[in-house]
Amino acid sequence: GESVGLHLPTLSVQEGDNSIINCAYSNSASDYFIWYKQESGKGPQFIIDIRSNMDKRQGQRVTVLLNKTVKHLSLQIAATQPGDSAVYFCAENRVGNFNKFYFGSGTKLNVKP
Amino acid sequence: DAGVTQSPTHLIKTRGQQVTLRCSPKSGHDTVSWYQQALGQGPQFIFQYYEEEERQRGNFPDRFSGHQFPNYSSELNVNALLLGDSALYLCASKIMDRDQPQHFGDGTRLSIL
Repeated sequence: GESVGLHLPTLSVQEGDNSIINCAYSNSASDYFIWYKQESGKGPQFIIDIRSNMDKRQGQRVTVLLNKTVKHLSLQIAATQPGDSAVYFCAENRVGNFNKFYFGSGTKLNVKP
Repeated sequence: DAGVTQSPTHLIKTRGQQVTLRCSPKSGHDTVSWYQQALGQGPQFIFQYYEEEERQRGNFPDRFSGHQFPNYSSELNVNALLLGDSALYLCASKIMDRDQPQHFGDGTRLSIL
């Protein structure tokens, strides 16, 4: 994705509210999508994934929605907690190549107590 | 079950020097990818190793090179360091050609003075 320099898009939510983080992709060959959470000083941590033959997948407190028509992916976090504060990245790979991932520029989630 | 481990955690070098970073993949994984993450940006793919060979490469100069050993561990070498090489270097592992997410280490923070 394009660089946004030091100014990541930021989403601020109140503890207990639901959060929605969005990601747009541009390549029609994108086939497999992953959301990662990255806390300060740590590497990206896998949250949830979805394949292009699905439009919704649920995990524990998280839901990923995929809209292939508009090339849009979202991550919904229910009952957001302070421990959810982090930078969230979407990543995707493309048909025929399971091994190379393309990352978006990330969204910083701030959870206010 | 150990995840992806990287060493060292932090490193300070000066311009023109050379550096080697190390990565041990998650147990059972045979493919290692290296990413560069500048402050406030998403990870950028450098290259990927499988069966001790470089299989894919991103848009990085030849100053960036790597190696994979028979035990699947890997090294990233950067020659003639530039100030712009200052970043977090992430290693990720997976099983080749499996439609599964990569697992990341916590990275090496490289600072160039």
